[in-house]
Amino acid sequence: DAGVTQSPTHLIKTRGQQVTLRCSPKSGHDTVSWYQQALGQGPQFIFQYYEEEERQRGNFPDRFSGHQFPNYSSELNVNALLLGDSALYLCASSLATVANQPQHFGDGTRLSIL
Amino acid sequence: AQSVTQLGSHVSVSEGALVLLRCNYSSSVPPYLFWYVQYPNQGLQLLLKYTTGATLVKGINGFEAEFKKSETSFHLTKPSAHMSDAAEYFCAVSEGDSGGYQKVTFGIGTKLQVIP
Repeated sequence: DAGVTQSPTHLIKTRGQQVTLRCSPKSGHDTVSWYQQALGQGPQFIFQYYEEEERQRGNFPDRFSGHQFPNYSSELNVNALLLGDSALYLCASSLATVANQPQHFGDGTRLSIL
Repeated sequence: AQSVTQLGSHVSVSEGALVLLRCNYSSSVPPYLFWYVQYPNQGLQLLLKYTTGATLVKGINGFEAEFKKSETSFHLTKPSAHMSDAAEYFCAVSEGDSGGYQKVTFGIGTKLQVIP
């Protein structure tokens, strides 16, 4: 049973560039959430996708956008990269959007901005 | 608005000693509570969860946590620390928003060091 998979594992970009990160949810899950984890911090919620729509959004600028595909996989796009965007980006999947369901996490994409 | 406070960003214990990691939460509705563990260069792995029912919850790797509503706490414990327990631990609270969608908030994490 495949868990949550993310690609790429590492990425180096320069300021001003754009990046796309990808996530495939755990088999049977239909909801994908994205988090940003800066060094020494807890995960910060970016947004959540369900039924191909953004259902919730955290306190992130609209440089951060996403998409969910019919097969439930998801992409996170970040435009006009800033040094402060350097972080581990985690994808989590769950079944529907029910609050008592734990989220299953991928190993993340480590994004470094030079 | 929900929030999570983890007291102690770093905790050190000797191998074989009791592990106690503290978590307090605030929530406007009955919360669902989770503990996750993160090993270096990995994602978060679920240790245990409290949804409803028994307030003492047992998880993987010998960890357990007790939900105390009166104290708004959900502390994580393990009777005897093992070297392999060295990792970062995150407490999280989940509740449904007005649209019925899950909203999860994480604490800042507690890094556990186990001393041989």
